[in-house]
Amino acid sequence: GESVGLHLPTLSVQEGDNSIINCAYSNSASDYFIWYKQESGKGPQFIIDIRSNMDKRQGQRVTVLLNKTVKHLSLQIAATQPGDSAVYFCAENRGGGSYIPTFGRGTSLIVHP
Amino acid sequence: SQTIHQWPATLVQPVGSPLSLECTVEGTSNPNLYWYRQAAGRGLQLLFYSVGIGQISSEVPQNLSASRPQDRQFILSSKKLLLSDSGFYLCAWSLGDTQYFGPGTRLTVL
Repeated sequence: GESVGLHLPTLSVQEGDNSIINCAYSNSASDYFIWYKQESGKGPQFIIDIRSNMDKRQGQRVTVLLNKTVKHLSLQIAATQPGDSAVYFCAENRGGGSYIPTFGRGTSLIVHP
Repeated sequence: SQTIHQWPATLVQPVGSPLSLECTVEGTSNPNLYWYRQAAGRGLQLLFYSVGIGQISSEVPQNLSASRPQDRQFILSSKKLLLSDSGFYLCAWSLGDTQYFGPGTRLTVL
């Protein structure tokens, strides 16, 4: 469904710092979660995913943590670079063949050189 | 590998004019296809999705329509555009849980 809000949450970091972007999801039946990166004027790009039978998954410079108890998802970016500046969306998908994910409203990451 | 195309990339149309946006997917068969709209600074609003040729589900009542004439082609249309139709239109495909997005079309209705 649509995420509503006039202003996106913003996270400003210095180049080289680690970034943590958080997302709260609503459906306790969700069993698959995805993080997307959207640069200005472009479509969202898949970054990393995690299933509910895991609580941590690592990629290249990115780590996703899942806390099902509090329905919380986070994306950690190590050694943040100016090219990481973008809007980051989380998405949750309910199992059982439902292929309509619910997207979070997004967080704008600004990396200062 | 799979790729998804959208065109045009940008479009400026007068109020009341028709619309046709096209999306095609390569490298896969029988994907689920989706149309989203994204207003500036906002999240993604699902407009339509399709699980097969000729099968369209509408999520939001509006003056837009969608069609899927071929397995890997998804078209978003309108007979008469409204100012409120301005936005960034994204097509996406999936074969399972993960959606992959196209580059988007920026539509401005004047």
